[in-house]
Amino acid sequence: SAVISQKPSRDICQRGTSLTIQCQVDSQVTMMFWYRQQPGQSLTLIATANQGSEATYESGFVIDKFPISRPNLTFSTLTVSNMSPEDSSIYLCSAGLSTDTQYFGPGTRLTVL
Amino acid sequence: QKEVEQNSGPLSVPEGAIASLNCTYSDRVSQSFFWYRQYSGKSPELIMSIYSNGDKEDGRFTAQLNKASQYVSLLIRDSQPSDSATYLCAVNTGGTSYGKLTFGQGTILTVHP
Repeated sequence: SAVISQKPSRDICQRGTSLTIQCQVDSQVTMMFWYRQQPGQSLTLIATANQGSEATYESGFVIDKFPISRPNLTFSTLTVSNMSPEDSSIYLCSAGLSTDTQYFGPGTRLTVL
Repeated sequence: QKEVEQNSGPLSVPEGAIASLNCTYSDRVSQSFFWYRQYSGKSPELIMSIYSNGDKEDGRFTAQLNKASQYVSLLIRDSQPSDSATYLCAVNTGGTSYGKLTFGQGTILTVHP
């Protein structure tokens, strides 16, 4: 497995603002992913963060709302832009140590007022 | 139809009993299957992966896969109160080794003393 950290662990934000979440892995990984877990729900994949190229977004998620950076093989950021209360969720990053197996960071709990 | 479905919960078993968690998936080309455990307020923790038909055992956990029936299950023997958590079934639905995981809705397991 890998040690994955996320910052911040939680935040309370005002409507209309943006928050950038950082994800750091203690080893180089090919694949990094960003998920959203809404209250009482399961995980939904937002996008795959590709090193050296644009992220690949899932249906229902767009780059303008969730811009992602992947500057190297150990780090990625997810920005939640122009937030509304509906964006209140836990945001999780994961790292694929093999292309199949994913390990998750501790998550960022976001509340939008 | 949902891509990954888990048996409805919550599931309650007495300490020492066998807990049986079930999952079906719709994508016949899926090749990789995972069980994650998620404690309340925590991120998902990988407990089992399975790739081939049959059983895979790891301690008190046994994963079972039947690709013909598109069915994967998790058995927890000698259940302990510490096993009380939400169990998430995840299937690689990327069609390749690209690692896209689709999660079921989760089954809440409670093990009572």
